[in-house]
Amino acid sequence: DQQVKQNSPSLSVQEGRISILNCDYTNSMFDYFLWYKKYPAEGPTFLISISSIKDKNEDGRFTVFLNKSAKHLSLHIVPSQPGDSAVYFCAASAVYTGANSKLTFGKGITLSVRP
Amino acid sequence: GAGVSQTPSNKVTEKGKYVELRCDPISGHTALYWYRQSLGQGPEFLIYFQGTGAADDSGLPNDRFFAVRPEGSVSTLKIQRTERGDSAVYLCASSLTSSGVTSTDTQYFGPGTRLTVL
Repeated sequence: DQQVKQNSPSLSVQEGRISILNCDYTNSMFDYFLWYKKYPAEGPTFLISISSIKDKNEDGRFTVFLNKSAKHLSLHIVPSQPGDSAVYFCAASAVYTGANSKLTFGKGITLSVRP
Repeated sequence: GAGVSQTPSNKVTEKGKYVELRCDPISGHTALYWYRQSLGQGPEFLIYFQGTGAADDSGLPNDRFFAVRPEGSVSTLKIQRTERGDSAVYLCASSLTSSGVTSTDTQYFGPGTRLTVL
């Protein structure tokens, strides 16, 4: 039973364009959401997060949007760069409602940015 | 500064053997997590330490898996009677969290140990 779903396994975009990575969740207890980026043979690297009291968080080229009613979040990368090519994981935790910091991850999406 | 380190980077063992995987967290980080990533999946939570004690071990799949953190720093994940299904990348993460069991402090991951059980 996947509580965090990343339904598209891969995405290919042109350099300079916007990349939109989507994520859905089913557990209503989740109240803190994160995106991690992973290169081959390395551990996941934290990218950006958002708590459930917000609907948007921005950090440079990266923006995360949260739609709580739809249980959906998305990561926007603008403009996309070849160095952004990696696997992106959506993760969630029930930090405030469940008082637990453990992360539940989606399966990941492979982003390829074409020069 | 130094990040989370894990040793060995690769471990090949035979079915039925015992293995130990080591994690060195970032200095000063009191919270430590173990996750397991199988092929084509995202990381799955195994166990979480706050200091020396296991605050949540609900992700350990069965009693063949055990983890310790005796001095509140280095942690060892121990797997007895390994099975082919245990083959995965075992990831360790640490965060600064100084109190309680809940925090939004960033979890920093190590590169993982790739375990292959033949």
